[in-house]
Amino acid sequence: NAGVTQTPKFQVLKTGQSMTLQCAQDMNHEYMSWYRQDPGMGLRLIHYSVGAGITDQGEVPNGYNVSRSTTEDFPLRLLSAAPSQTSVYFCASSYSVRRTGELFFGEGSRLTVL
Amino acid sequence: AQKVTQAQTEISVVEKEDVTLDCVYETRDTTYYLFWYKQPPSGELVFLIRRNSFDEQNEISGRYSWNFQKSTSSFNFTITASQVVDSAVYFCALSSRNQGGKLIFGQGTELSVKP
Repeated sequence: NAGVTQTPKFQVLKTGQSMTLQCAQDMNHEYMSWYRQDPGMGLRLIHYSVGAGITDQGEVPNGYNVSRSTTEDFPLRLLSAAPSQTSVYFCASSYSVRRTGELFFGEGSRLTVL
Repeated sequence: AQKVTQAQTEISVVEKEDVTLDCVYETRDTTYYLFWYKQPPSGELVFLIRRNSFDEQNEISGRYSWNFQKSTSSFNFTITASQVVDSAVYFCALSSRNQGGKLIFGQGTELSVKP
């Protein structure tokens, strides 16, 4: 099983550029989310979705957009990259909102903004 | 607001020592869930355990055990007879139904087990 697939694994951007981090899961999970991981900060929730067509903000949503047009995909868009967005990004999914927390994580995407 | 605090940033032990990782949480919800995740040096995140707020029974799984105490809002994790393979960053996390099920993580504790 593929599980949660994130692409790309590594990316270098210049300040002001935009890009999309892709996330796909093949487990028919209802709940999907994006986190960023920074040293000493743990994992912080950026955006999440409880089903197709439904998204909501997490702890640190500024500078990011998401959409959930299908159950499988949950892309994260950086509108105008800033050095503060240099981080490791994780996509995660869970079977349902009620069981949120038993998350399946992707392998992470390391983003550097110069 | 919900919050998870892992006050220990780094812990270093020698193999076979027991080690306890502390986790303190804050929530106003009565129905909530607590978790521990492990992140080994390879970077992936591995689910270890999930407890709900109505079940304070401690749990043991091999060398791992968890102590959930609502009176002190703590959910501590103990590794008995630690091994080098236990070296990782460990995250405690909290979610609650009233918060839409969002999972909030602590800052993480980096455990280093030396041979």
